[in-house]
Amino acid sequence: DAGVTQSPTHLIKTRGQQVTLRCSPKSGHDTVSWYQQALGQGPQFIFQYYEEEERQRGNFPDRFSGHQFPNYSSELNVNALLLGDSALYLCASSLNYLRDTQYFGPGTRLTVL
Amino acid sequence: AQSVAQPEDQVNVAEGNPLTVKCTYSVSGNPYLFWYVQYPNRGLQFLLKYITGDNLVKGSYGFEAEFNKSQTSFHLKKPSALVSDSALYFCAVIDYGQNFVFGPGTRLSVLP
Repeated sequence: DAGVTQSPTHLIKTRGQQVTLRCSPKSGHDTVSWYQQALGQGPQFIFQYYEEEERQRGNFPDRFSGHQFPNYSSELNVNALLLGDSALYLCASSLNYLRDTQYFGPGTRLTVL
Repeated sequence: AQSVAQPEDQVNVAEGNPLTVKCTYSVSGNPYLFWYVQYPNRGLQFLLKYITGDNLVKGSYGFEAEFNKSQTSFHLKKPSALVSDSALYFCAVIDYGQNFVFGPGTRLSVLP
């Protein structure tokens, strides 16, 4: 049973660039959530997708956007990168968006120079 | 607003001794509480959750957690610590928006 997968593992970008991160949910899951984890901190919720729509959004600017595909996989896009966007980006999947356990992928380490 | 506190940045325990990692929460209504563990350069691994029922919840790798409504706590425990338990531990609560609110994390070091 495949778990949550994310790509790429690591990414280095420069300020002002745009980045796309990808996530495939655990088999059987239909909801994908994205989190940003800065060094030494707990994960912060970015947004959640269910049925190809953004259902919830955390306190992140609209430079952060996403998409969910019919096969439930998801992308996180960040435009106009800032140095402060450097973090581990975690994807989590669950069976539905109603208070279910979320299972996390290994994350994508984004470094903005 | 829902919030989670983990009052200890670091917990040190000798191998074989019992361990406790503390968590307190603030929510409106009935809490859904979780513990996750994170190893270096890895994602979060689910350990256990409390939704309803018995206050003592058993999870993966011999961990358990005790829900205490009056003290609004959900402390993680293990009777006998292993060196391999050394990691970063996160407590989380689901808020009204159905999303996870994580605590700041507690680093557990088990000394041989």
